[in-house]
Amino acid sequence: GENVEQHPSTLSVQEGDSAVIKCTYSDSASNYFPWYKQELGKRPQLIIDIRSNVGEKKDQRIAVTLNKTAKHFSLHITETQPEDSAVYFCAAGDSGNTPLVFGKGTRLSVIA
Amino acid sequence: GAGVSQSPSNKVTEKGKDVELRCDPISGHTALYWYRQSLGQGLEFLIYFQGNSAPDKSGLPSDRFSAERTGGSVSTLTIQRTQQEDSAVYLCASSLSREKLFFGSGTQLSVL
Repeated sequence: GENVEQHPSTLSVQEGDSAVIKCTYSDSASNYFPWYKQELGKRPQLIIDIRSNVGEKKDQRIAVTLNKTAKHFSLHITETQPEDSAVYFCAAGDSGNTPLVFGKGTRLSVIA
Repeated sequence: GAGVSQSPSNKVTEKGKDVELRCDPISGHTALYWYRQSLGQGLEFLIYFQGNSAPDKSGLPSDRFSAERTGGSVSTLTIQRTQQEDSAVYLCASSLSREKLFFGSGTQLSVL
C-alpha cells in the first residue's frame, strides 16, 4: 500500500519568510496529492491539491510542486503570516477506490 | 448547509469497556472515512466506505475495531474492550468526489 513520509515535523519561520514542507510517496499509482491545514483545536481543511498531470499549482501565497519521477511533492508558503501557524498534512491517493494516505504532519510556527 | 457532524465530542471510558462513535456525513456524500489522530501523530486511516461497495477495512488496527454505515449515510465506529492505547481523536470525513474530504470536529476518546 501507499506510504507517505513528511518532513520536517516542526518548522519555525520569521513572519514574511517562506516555508517549505516536503513529502515523498511510495505508490507510483498515486495521482492525487492534497494538502490539509489544521489549526489548533480545529478540523483539517483542504488548502490546495495537485494532480499528476501538472507539475506546479499556485493559489495566492501557496504553491505546490510535484515530481512524479522522484515521487515527491512540496508545499511552499511565501510571505508567511502568523495566521499560517498550524499543522499541515500532505496526502497521496489514486483518486479512485483507495483512501487517501496522510503524512504525519508538520507543525509550522510563524514568529511575528 | 450542515457539515460533517460527530458525536460525542468527548468520551471518557474505562479500560475494557466498549464505545460507539457516531458520524453524520454531509448529505449526498457517497464516501465516508474514519481516521485516528494520536498526539503528535498524523492522520491514521482506519476504514473507508464508498457507496454500496464493500468497505476498505485495511486500516483497522485490531479485531476490536469495527464500523458500519447504515443506509449509505450515518456511520458508527465501535471499539470493543478498549485499551489505553486507543486514546486518540477519531475523525470522520465525507466526500462527494473521492478527493476533497470534509472532516468532522472529531471525538476525543480517553481510556482510563
